[in-house]
Order: sequence, then structure tokens, then C-alpha cells
Amino acid sequence: ETGVTQSPTHLIKTRGQQVTLRCSSQSGHNTVSWYQQALGQGPQFIFQYYREEENGRGNFPPRFSGLQFPNYSSELNVNALELDDSALYLCASSLEGSIKFYEQYFGPGTRLTVT
Amino acid sequence: AQTVTQSQPEMSVQEAETVTLSCTYDTSENNYYLFWYKQPPSRQMILVIRQEAYKQQNATENRFSVNFQKAAKSFSLKISDSQLGDTAMYFCAFMKHASGGSNYKLTFGKGTLLTVNP
Repeated sequence: ETGVTQSPTHLIKTRGQQVTLRCSSQSGHNTVSWYQQALGQGPQFIFQYYREEENGRGNFPPRFSGLQFPNYSSELNVNALELDDSALYLCASSLEGSIKFYEQYFGPGTRLTVT
Repeated sequence: AQTVTQSQPEMSVQEAETVTLSCTYDTSENNYYLFWYKQPPSRQMILVIRQEAYKQQNATENRFSVNFQKAAKSFSLKISDSQLGDTAMYFCAFMKHASGGSNYKLTFGKGTLLTVNP
């Protein structure tokens, strides 16, 4: 059973650019959640995808968008990058419909720096 | 909306001793889950322990146990026989039991940095 993986590990972008972050869910998991963790803060929920459909969104603007693919891997896209988007981006997978549907397994994160 | 408060930004403990991390939360929900996650310098968020709100018995996982006080909305983590590898940021998190297609999102506190000293 493979764990949750994310790529890239680190990324540096310029303000105004666009970025795509990738996440590979734990084998068999059908739900992925994305979180933004600013320095010194707890993670903040961005959105969740279940079976390729967005299934809830936190307080983030539309320039944050996502995709989930049939193999349950996913992407987080951020357009028009702002300095405040600099953060650690975490994805977490879970298996909705299972007994432990509430347990989310996190990847190691992507550190995004916007200059 | 739910909020999670961790009032101890930093704590330290000697190896082999016991330490308790505090967490309070605010919710109008009756059915929910509470978690403690550990985030070491490697950044990987690791689930330490969970508690279902409908269970009165406090959860225990080896050296980790919780004191869940539902009426007081308190959820503290006790680490016994602290080890150097326990050094990490610890986050308390809340998840309401969603229904009707709603999502299961985690609401985190700001974290407590625990340092275990040799």
C-alpha cells in the first residue's frame, strides 16, 4: 500500500504566474482534500474532491481550482499568484464509504514561494 | 463555524516524563470527531489519535491518550514517557459528521511546538 505523494517538493514562482501542484492519493482512496498551511499556522481547508467532483470549498477565491482524475490523483491550480500564496500546500486522501471515512492521510506537502 | 484553539504555542518536556497539550473547540454540532496530528520537521502530517464525540471513553494509543470533556469542549493530549522523536508541532483538529453529500473537512488549531529535551 503506497502512501500519499506530492510533487514538486519545492517551487518558486513570480507574482502573477500560474502554478500546478500534484498529489497522488493512497491506493484505493476516493477522496482528496487540499489544505494551505502558512508559516506558523495550522492548515486551512481549500477544497475537497470526491469521485472527480468538487465536494466542498473553504474560504478561498476562484483562482484556486482543482481536478481529480479517474485514478484519484489530483491537481491544485492557482492562477494570478500573490505573495500571500506562499505556503506549504498539503493534500490528504481518505476513503469515503469506509468505516474510517474520517481519517485523512497527508502527503509531505509542496512548499510554494511567491516572489 | 467551528473554531479550534490551542493556547500553548510552545512546550518542552524532559525525556521520559509526561506532558499534556491543551485544546478547546467551539461548535454547535453534536456529532463530530476530534484528532491530534503530529507534524515533525519533515513536514509530513501524521495522525496520532482520534476521538469520536459519541464515545464517552477516552481514546488511547500506546503512550498517547486524550482527556475528552464534551460539555467543556476540551480535548487534551497526554504523552507519557516522552521520547526525543516526539519533538514536533502538534495540531488539534475538528471534523463534523457531515451528511447529505457534505464534505469532511478538518479545522485545525494553530499548533503547539513540543520539544523533548534529553
